[in-house]
Amino acid sequence: GAGVSQTPSNKVTEKGKYVELRCDPISGHTALYWYRQSLGQGPEFLIYFQGTGAADDSGLPNDRFFAVRPEGSVSTLKIQRTERGDSAVYLCASSLNGAGGRETQYFGPGTRLLVL
Amino acid sequence: KQEVTQIPAALSVPEGENLVLNCSFTDSAIYNLQWFRQDPGKGLTSLLLIQSSQREQTSGRLNASLDKSSGRSTLYIAASQPGDSATYLCAVTAGNQFYFGTGTSLTVIP
Repeated sequence: GAGVSQTPSNKVTEKGKYVELRCDPISGHTALYWYRQSLGQGPEFLIYFQGTGAADDSGLPNDRFFAVRPEGSVSTLKIQRTERGDSAVYLCASSLNGAGGRETQYFGPGTRLLVL
Repeated sequence: KQEVTQIPAALSVPEGENLVLNCSFTDSAIYNLQWFRQDPGKGLTSLLLIQSSQREQTSGRLNASLDKSSGRSTLYIAASQPGDSATYLCAVTAGNQFYFGTGTSLTVIP
């Protein structure tokens, strides 16, 4: 595949609803990262997958946020009981071998989430 | 916790000028530093990656330096063009995480 893709590109939901955001990494990349970018801010780390397992989920803000990568490729970020403060751009990135953050990460275009 | 600061927050220059963007970080225990470009409504594009053992990296009109001991990096853009207009983000890597600055919004005026 060409690059990292994310769907949907935009998502509008109501407070309290459940949403799922999808990331398709570059084929063959073992590491996958999720970030959240609020308006006027830099991206903030949420979670890092090495293969199927979450190697570091220390950035998830609370237990309403959960992410999976069951087959070591596509990942889904799940947000329960959404709040207005969850509104942000959710970015996904992948890298070839993982090695933590020591190699270049390739970013997708992001999903813009708006919680009304 | 690592904190990354970028100065200035916004910069406007006429076409053809050389310019410098600054990035500082609080903890020198990093693996590498990376500069990204972000266009409105788009994801991030990696520009330059400097490993912690390196002092600088160059790509075309871009040159990035790293002084790990002082916690500073600069991105030098030569002969700026209107197409360089974007937000430039620096990020340092520690552990498994990237720590991003808030970015410098660059406008190059034709």
